[in-house]
Amino acid sequence: QTVVTQEPSFSVSPGGTVTLTCGLSSGSVSPPYYPSWYQQTPGQAPRTLIYSTHIRSSGVPDRFSGSILGNKAALTITGAQADDQSVYYCGLYVGPGSWVFGGGTNLTVL
Amino acid sequence: QVQLVESGGGVVQPGGSVRLSCEVSGFTFRNYGMHWVRQAPGKGLEWVALIRFDGSNEYYADSVKGRFTISRDNSKNTLYLQLNTLRPDDTAVYYCAKDVQYCSGGSCNTYYYGMDVWGQGTTVTVSS
Repeated sequence: QTVVTQEPSFSVSPGGTVTLTCGLSSGSVSPPYYPSWYQQTPGQAPRTLIYSTHIRSSGVPDRFSGSILGNKAALTITGAQADDQSVYYCGLYVGPGSWVFGGGTNLTVL
Repeated sequence: QVQLVESGGGVVQPGGSVRLSCEVSGFTFRNYGMHWVRQAPGKGLEWVALIRFDGSNEYYADSVKGRFTISRDNSKNTLYLQLNTLRPDDTAVYYCAKDVQYCSGGSCNTYYYGMDVWGQGTTVTVSS
């Protein structure tokens, strides 16, 4: 069974930069896992930020960027704003046709 | 404007069934695969199922395999999820989501993978 790991929580100062990561309980995240990132605020549906490692979804500001750092996928937010305070989920393609999400990172901007 | 609107949720008894619908607009439905993703109260996201653009293949999470069925009607721009033999741990908000791969003429652009647009969700509560 594939287990996707994310930091449970993180904090960033307004205007600061933060990098959230997405790993595997065993093994490394690499491009064939096509990591994606989703933002969710309480009571709202998820919103896609990044798919296929680094492709920004339509309308997503370039403050959000995706990459592979070492053996993990990463979501970097630069110039953090108050409304970036959300839960961020990572999703990995484990094929065929199947996906697994991480438990989410609760990001606080303060 | 791309829109996905789920419906069909409600309160269902354990062992019961319900069918969810996801009506889409703003894009050519028949050219994209579609997902269902659920979220139990206070929990994270769980991928449930994927159906290919033409309905030729379906994929399921182990937790729902044999109990849930994903289907689509491309003439009605609608995605479905049939939930059978429901258990209390199926209680969740169910979201439909559009796949990013464009498909046509029997094949898909497999350069990108992911989900890009989500509906607002419909709630299924399994309780006696």
